[in-house]
Amino acid sequence: QKEVEQNSGPLSVPEGAIASLNCTYSDRGSQSFFWYRQYSGKSPELIMSIYSNGDKEDGRFTAQLNKASQYVSLLIRDSQPSDSATYLCAVNIETAGTASKLTFGTGTRLQVTL
Amino acid sequence: DGGITQSPKYLFRKEGQNVTLSCEQNLNHDAMYWYRQDPGQGLRLIYYSQIVNDFQKGDIAEGYSVSREKKESFPLTVTSAQKNPTAFYLCASSREGDYQPQHFGDGTRLSIL
Repeated sequence: QKEVEQNSGPLSVPEGAIASLNCTYSDRGSQSFFWYRQYSGKSPELIMSIYSNGDKEDGRFTAQLNKASQYVSLLIRDSQPSDSATYLCAVNIETAGTASKLTFGTGTRLQVTL
Repeated sequence: DGGITQSPKYLFRKEGQNVTLSCEQNLNHDAMYWYRQDPGQGLRLIYYSQIVNDFQKGDIAEGYSVSREKKESFPLTVTSAQKNPTAFYLCASSREGDYQPQHFGDGTRLSIL
């Protein structure tokens, strides 16, 4: 079965530190990778997308992709209490015609402490 | 503002009852999706649709039905055959193509009375 794996956490980091969230996936043919943030009781919100090996930066967020090792990570610099949420990794594992069919990990819960 | 609207926000189902969850988008997206999320778990795909009048089963379609009569609308019916319907239901949409991210509505929380 094609899978996306994440450590459920909680990952606890002090305010101002770097939070590092990791995700591995099983299908070498995957082409697109996404990170979503989900606050408790709310719906997922897209924060990063990455398609090529290497790093992609957007503000305090950096997504890193290594297709050879089949992992994708999310770094959050200068972590703030408002970053406390569950972070979902999503991977486009199989084609579905024109639809973007994603497989989601179970998420990593991040706690930023004061 | 463009977005995805799900209604109602909370829904209660009696035993033996079918209920329908609404999802409307004004993003002009071709593809739409329904997911179920249980506490502490990831999202599981129920159904998806690439185009009007066409839809495919996801990983957990049993006990659910959908229709796609308009590009903007993708309602989900939770039938009485779904024996454990209590969950957070999320509707999403995306542009055409494998590389497109999905964008989510605010969700509907369904409970059993």
